[in-house]
Amino acid sequence: DGGITQSPKYLFRKEGQNVTLSCEQNLNHDAMYWYRQDPGQGLRLIYYSQIVNDFQKGDIAEGYSVSREKKESFPLTVTSAQKNPTAFYLCASSFGENTEAFFGQGTRLTVV
Amino acid sequence: GEDVEQSLFLSVREGDSSVINCTYTDSSSTYLYWYKQEPGAGLQLLTYIFSNMDMKQDQRLTVLLNKKDKHLSLRIADTQTGDSAIYFCADGSSNTGKLIFGQGTTLQVKP
Repeated sequence: DGGITQSPKYLFRKEGQNVTLSCEQNLNHDAMYWYRQDPGQGLRLIYYSQIVNDFQKGDIAEGYSVSREKKESFPLTVTSAQKNPTAFYLCASSFGENTEAFFGQGTRLTVV
Repeated sequence: GEDVEQSLFLSVREGDSSVINCTYTDSSSTYLYWYKQEPGAGLQLLTYIFSNMDMKQDQRLTVLLNKKDKHLSLRIADTQTGDSAIYFCADGSSNTGKLIFGQGTTLQVKP
């Protein structure tokens, strides 16, 4: 089945550790996005990539890093520099500008 | 920068119509989207409207767009308890390729 898959669904991290969230799509989409969702704040864009080997910062990129070495994959690393990383993280992909985005089921990250 | 605003909460009775409102600031918007999110899940696209349209109807859903006022609304006819969810308005900017979301409106449907 075609779709976009995030893993893991739940993730626990100790303070001071880096952690990487996986996002894979087999929809042949060029563009991929990472959003962070906090209660009452909607979705805020962390990073996005419109093509392989290229990506841009979104509105809240500090403390995060990404790579786009393959079209299918857009992993997000939450670094120890991110002051408040506990949140629900959503990955999305699309064919590009002005096309609908498909979302993964999300990863809930908790810092313990 | 671009901004999208929504009211945070709406409560209706089963069988009534629900109207969820959204305003946006980006003049270069090409498409505007409505997404639905159920608890603990990702977002599901409900419908979208192209910026040169005023209205789009899709079964129980009606989208109205006032481009002059940069106002978008989603009407759900005959609202059911299964419609209870968070609804997000999103603006597809033709300048940046980004998809900008509002804060989400929580729709509560009472039996």
